[in-house]
Amino acid sequence: DADVTQTPRNRITKTGKRIMLECSQTKGHDRMYWYRQDPGLGLRLIYYSFDVKDINKGEISDGYSVSRQAQAKFSLSLESAIPNQTALYFCATSPSRQGSSYEQYFGPGTRLTVT
Amino acid sequence: EDQVTQSPEALRLQEGESSSLNCSYTVSGLRGLFWYRQDPGKGPEFLFTLYSAGEEKEKERLKATLTKKESFLHITAPKPEDSATYLCAVQAADSWGKLQFGAGTQVVVTP
Repeated sequence: DADVTQTPRNRITKTGKRIMLECSQTKGHDRMYWYRQDPGLGLRLIYYSFDVKDINKGEISDGYSVSRQAQAKFSLSLESAIPNQTALYFCATSPSRQGSSYEQYFGPGTRLTVT
Repeated sequence: EDQVTQSPEALRLQEGESSSLNCSYTVSGLRGLFWYRQDPGKGPEFLFTLYSAGEEKEKERLKATLTKKESFLHITAPKPEDSATYLCAVQAADSWGKLQFGAGTQVVVTP
């Protein structure tokens, strides 16, 4: 079974609709992240969470919100979807070892299309 | 502001033709530099972490090196299965674990 799972894998929605993307992990990591990927722009951080009570905005958080329901679950919501939110969305996790780097492990992604 | 620039944007190689990818970075105190491989429609797969200038790491046909300003990913005698996009990311010492990614280098290896 995959360590980081995302649902749905593909989603087509209309402008103005509210949608939620879900992420679950079995790696036992405290830290979780949401990224979007656009051609030529690389991966950009939307939100990150260091534990259930610690949630922070990334570089492109406008138009998005998140919920950390448990250590293993981190959801991303688009309150009112717009076409320029069409992208690949990735969830990632990392360990929180004090004094070391924090390599991140990614889920398979959700391809979101807003029409 | 932390910046990561990867070059070239795309690379087409014949099977067995070795080459190198470049990742130039500016960061206020490097905690780690990361290389990932990404196949089309899939999530990035972690390859290496490099922590300090002079460090090298190898995995099969891939070898990553690090200087104070850039990192190289050397692909030795590539095979078609090495075709992928390779992503570089840096983590600053004061970033609380956040990564800054480059746009990637798309590598195609033909038989």
